[in-house]
Amino acid sequence: EPEVTQTPSHQVTQMGQEVILRCVPISNHLYFYWYRQILGQKVEFLVSFYNNEISEKSEIFDDQFSVERPDGSNFTLKIRSTKLEDSAMYFCASSGRGRVGTGELFFGEGSRLTVL
Amino acid sequence: AQSVTQPDIHITVSEGASLELRCNYSYGATPYLFWYVQSPGQGLQLLLKYFSGDTLVQGIKGFEAEFKRSQSSFNLRKPSVHWSDAAEYFCAVANSGGYNKLIFGAGTRLAVHP
Repeated sequence: EPEVTQTPSHQVTQMGQEVILRCVPISNHLYFYWYRQILGQKVEFLVSFYNNEISEKSEIFDDQFSVERPDGSNFTLKIRSTKLEDSAMYFCASSGRGRVGTGELFFGEGSRLTVL
Repeated sequence: AQSVTQPDIHITVSEGASLELRCNYSYGATPYLFWYVQSPGQGLQLLLKYFSGDTLVQGIKGFEAEFKRSQSSFNLRKPSVHWSDAAEYFCAVANSGGYNKLIFGAGTRLAVHP
């Protein structure tokens, strides 16, 4: 069964460092997403991406965050200068279609980021 | 603004017992509703979804959910729980215009006693 894979599964970093979280979406999917879950809190939408540009982003997704699809298979989330409050589980997801109701979201297992 | 409330943070049931996980949503128009499950070390897996039509929807693993517009609820049910159902369950809502932008509830952690 096709699946979304994420690396690393856990990363520990110092405050102020740059972090790149990587995702390999399902191969024929065209829409990509990042969500995050701070420990004990809700899963929150960060950003959606289609056709090499951001479709929608939340208030959380400020200038410290960026996303990229550097090649045909990877989808990355970069945090330029990490803060303590960026500590969370980050989920990548992909779907074959964009509008909700037309396509199911497939989530990866998550990348846990710990900022010290 | 859209929101989802899952009133129960933790639920414990005995294996073989029935289960109902509560979900209430706040959304002005007809919502798109989802239940996801997250087993330890796993990603979020879609159990079922409601877009329109029959208000009782069937999902995978023997789960079902019923959409009740009058109560703004979308409760998840299973008639007989298995030990492997122990996991965290998330209810989510989306609007028809969003590019799969889901609003999640806080989750309900289910423990199953043998």
